[in-house]
Amino acid sequence: GAVVSQHPSRVICKSGTSVKIECRSLDFQATTMFWYRQFPKKSLMLMATSNEGSKATYEQGVEKDKFLINHASLTLSTLTVTSAHPEDSSFYICSASSEPYEQYFGPGTRLTVT
Amino acid sequence: AQSVTQLDSQVPVFEEAPVELRCNYSSSVSVYLFWYVQYPNQGLQLLLKYLSGSTLVESINGFEAEFNKSQTSFHLRKPSVHISDTAEYFCAVEDWGTGGTSYGKLTFGQGTILTVHP
Repeated sequence: GAVVSQHPSRVICKSGTSVKIECRSLDFQATTMFWYRQFPKKSLMLMATSNEGSKATYEQGVEKDKFLINHASLTLSTLTVTSAHPEDSSFYICSASSEPYEQYFGPGTRLTVT
Repeated sequence: AQSVTQLDSQVPVFEEAPVELRCNYSSSVSVYLFWYVQYPNQGLQLLLKYLSGSTLVESINGFEAEFNKSQTSFHLRKPSVHISDTAEYFCAVEDWGTGGTSYGKLTFGQGTILTVHP
């Protein structure tokens, strides 16, 4: 099956710094990538949808200036959490899709902001 | 806006027993329905999906789910579970009645942790 990787799997950063998370589709070209956030014992919440070469579409309530998403190629999307604060600590998951109704998920990145 | 409710956060069962993981949704438009499974330290994997046609859908490892429109449910069942079925299961819906603007946008339930004991 299709494989999606995320890097890093875990990251700890200090408050006020920025951190970048990469999402790669390893064996297929992803026209669309999605970024989710998962709080403990909560469901995944869609943050934004990105299509290769165009600006990401953010869900209501998600700060686009704080969560910068770039989808520069058909195999790579990045999420940059700018000026991170402890409340940004969470589990971030990406998914990639090349056709309708088929999303392949990455293993997630645990972000801890101290 | 749609929502998904998984009524049980944890379901412990013994090996070879039947199991049902419940999922109810609310939506003002027609939906596609999915079950995803997440094994420890792995990403979510699609288990099965309902798009159209027969309301009973099956996975390759013995799970099945039935779309019940009148009850807005999509419960997941397996007649005999194995230790290897221990994982977290997520129900998700995608609107398709909004002119294509919701393509790929999944709304997830809270997840159900299935633990199979020997």
